[in-house]
Amino acid sequence: DAGVIQSPRHEVTEMGQEVTLRCKPISGHDYLFWYRQTMMRGLELLIYFNNNVPIDDSGMPEDRFSAKMPNASFSTLKIQPSEPRDSAVYFCASSSNRRVSLVNEQFFGPGTRLTVL
Amino acid sequence: AQTVTQSQPEMSVQEAETVTLSCTYDTSESDYYLFWYKQPPSRQMILVIRQEAYKQQNATENRFSVNFQKAAKSFSLKISDSQLGDAAMYFCATANFGNEKLTFGTGTRLTIIP
Repeated sequence: DAGVIQSPRHEVTEMGQEVTLRCKPISGHDYLFWYRQTMMRGLELLIYFNNNVPIDDSGMPEDRFSAKMPNASFSTLKIQPSEPRDSAVYFCASSSNRRVSLVNEQFFGPGTRLTVL
Repeated sequence: AQTVTQSQPEMSVQEAETVTLSCTYDTSESDYYLFWYKQPPSRQMILVIRQEAYKQQNATENRFSVNFQKAAKSFSLKISDSQLGDAAMYFCATANFGNEKLTFGTGTRLTIIP
């Protein structure tokens, strides 16, 4: 299995531009998570989906952020317009609800480092 | 709301020695799970070990083991025979049973001294 795939790995953009981050979860996984990591705030959960449906988006910082999951194999996180304070590493993770035990391990992608100038 | 506290921003250990990373948490739930994730310089988050709160026996994975003290809400990670490849940020995390949300601590940067 290729693991969770994220693209791009690095993104540099100017303030005000639209940014789209992409994620392909592990095949067969039911849950998909978007996290943001910064030095100041650590690792924060932004939103997560179950079977393509958003379950909890309470971590989304503001209306400039939106996430979609049109099918089981693809999700996007969009920032429009972007601001310098959005600079961070954005992680996507997925997990399976088909529990062998009662603990679901989240498998993380390599992250996208976003820099907004 | 859950909180996770890692009071050691940085730790270092001599290669082949043992090191313990601390983690305390706060939750009002009785059923929950605890995790340690490793983030090497490559940025990839990797699960190291996990513990179900209802289990009294401490989890172990090869050189990694935990000391789970439920009453004290403490979940420390012990790394035995430290290796250079263990150098990374280590994050403690918790999740309630039936809720897939992970709450992470701020991390401990572990340096291995050759």
